[in-house]
Amino acid sequence: GAGVSQSPSNKVTEKGKDVELRCDPISGHTALYWYRQSLGQGLEFLIYFQGNSAPDKSGLPSDRFSAERTGGSVSTLTIQRTQQEDSAVYLCASSLDFGNTIYFGEGSWLTVV
Amino acid sequence: AQTVTQSQPEMSVQEAETVTLSCTYDTSESDYYLFWYKQPPSRQMILVIRQEAYKQQNATENRFSVNFQKAAKSFSLKISDSQLGDAAMYFCAYRSPNFGNEKLTFGTGTRLTIIP
Repeated sequence: GAGVSQSPSNKVTEKGKDVELRCDPISGHTALYWYRQSLGQGLEFLIYFQGNSAPDKSGLPSDRFSAERTGGSVSTLTIQRTQQEDSAVYLCASSLDFGNTIYFGEGSWLTVV
Repeated sequence: AQTVTQSQPEMSVQEAETVTLSCTYDTSESDYYLFWYKQPPSRQMILVIRQEAYKQQNATENRFSVNFQKAAKSFSLKISDSQLGDAAMYFCAYRSPNFGNEKLTFGTGTRLTIIP
C-alpha cells in the first residue's frame, strides 16, 4: 500500500476484554515497529520485527501484551485482559531495511472503560 | 542505553518568524541517525528531517534545517518563515546503526503553536 495502514482507528473496550490491533506495513518493508503513546506523552517502544529474526520484545510492559507478524508482512498486537492504564494510541511503523527512515501509520486509539 | 531530551514542552512563534526547537541526546556510539518528526492533531508521525552523524553538513529540507553539534550531542531544529500548518508536536528521535538495535528512541516532544 501507499502507507502504513492501521485498524481499527478507534476502539473502546471494557476492562478485562482482549483486543487486537492490526498493522499493514508499506509493501516491501522488512522492519516493523509498535509504539505506544499515552495522552500527552512521548512514544514508548513496545516491539520490533526485522525480517526472519527473532523479534525484540524488550519494550512490552507485561505478559498481557503480545505481537506476531505473519508472512513477514501484517502484524497484530494483542492485549489480553485490558486495564484502564492500557488506554493510549498504539502506533505502528515500518522501514525498508536496516538504517532507513521509519514511516508511521495514523495509530489505533484504544480506550479502556 | 540512549536517551533523548527535549527541554521545551511548549513553544510559540509568530507567523512568518523563525523558531528553534532544542534536542540533546546521550550515547556512547560514534555513528547514529537523528530525526525530527512532526505530529499534527491527526496523530500521524511525519518525518521532517534526518541527519546521519557521520555527515558534518547540517541537513536542510526547505524551511526546516538542523544545527547538529556532535561533540555537544545537540540536534536543534530551526523552522524559518513559520506557517500555520507547522503547528504540531515535534519529536526528536535517535536511532542506533547497530543491527538488532534499530528502534527509535524519542524525546518527550515540544508543542509548537503558531500565532497568526
